[in-house]
Amino acid sequence: LAKTTQPISMDSYEGQEVNITCSHNNIATNDYITWYQQFPSQGPRFIIQGYKTKVTNEVASLFIPADRKSSTLSLPRVSLSDTAVYYCLVGGNNQGGKLIFGQGTELSVKP
Amino acid sequence: GAVVSQHPSRVICKSGTSVKIECRSLDFQATTMFWYRQFPKQSLMLMATSNEGSKATYEQGVEKDKFLINHASLTLSTLTVTSAHPEDSSFYICSARPPEEGNGYTFGSGTRLTVV
Repeated sequence: LAKTTQPISMDSYEGQEVNITCSHNNIATNDYITWYQQFPSQGPRFIIQGYKTKVTNEVASLFIPADRKSSTLSLPRVSLSDTAVYYCLVGGNNQGGKLIFGQGTELSVKP
Repeated sequence: GAVVSQHPSRVICKSGTSVKIECRSLDFQATTMFWYRQFPKQSLMLMATSNEGSKATYEQGVEKDKFLINHASLTLSTLTVTSAHPEDSSFYICSARPPEEGNGYTFGSGTRLTVV
């Protein structure tokens, strides 16, 4: 399973755009990149998933360069409620479906 | 969207007793479910993979006789912490993968277990 590396923590202010980058140098050809958000004492929540280039949904954008060795989660105009831990995971269907979590990035949004 | 319901949300038990946690997929069938444990300020640690109709697959270092997993139907998996001790106090989370592609995994809301 591909290992991921993210910054341990990030600070931001309300209204700013936040970009969290994840490194996954050993990503396999059939691996997808998925980001989850977790609030304290809650289960993680799916944010976005992509394979290459750019994916956008109503919550975030995911940028994946051509070599796919990294990815960047972009949160536009964050609010206080976006304070959470964000996890980047890589994996594919051929790994028994297991999701292995890395350390995550603790995002703190300040007023 | 797909929902995974976990019950109870929190439980306090005495040392030496057993506690059962339920995980249900409400609007989809899940032949496979996953159980995680999370200690404060730490990431989620995968404990085991629950397989409907067969034995669970445990991750290295997880005691299968202590953490009993039963996946008797396509919508229900249970985790029983047997002979609980204070060090078993943690946040337990289950997850399952809905059949739709591209939607990732759905997680339960977690169970806070406190062993006193």
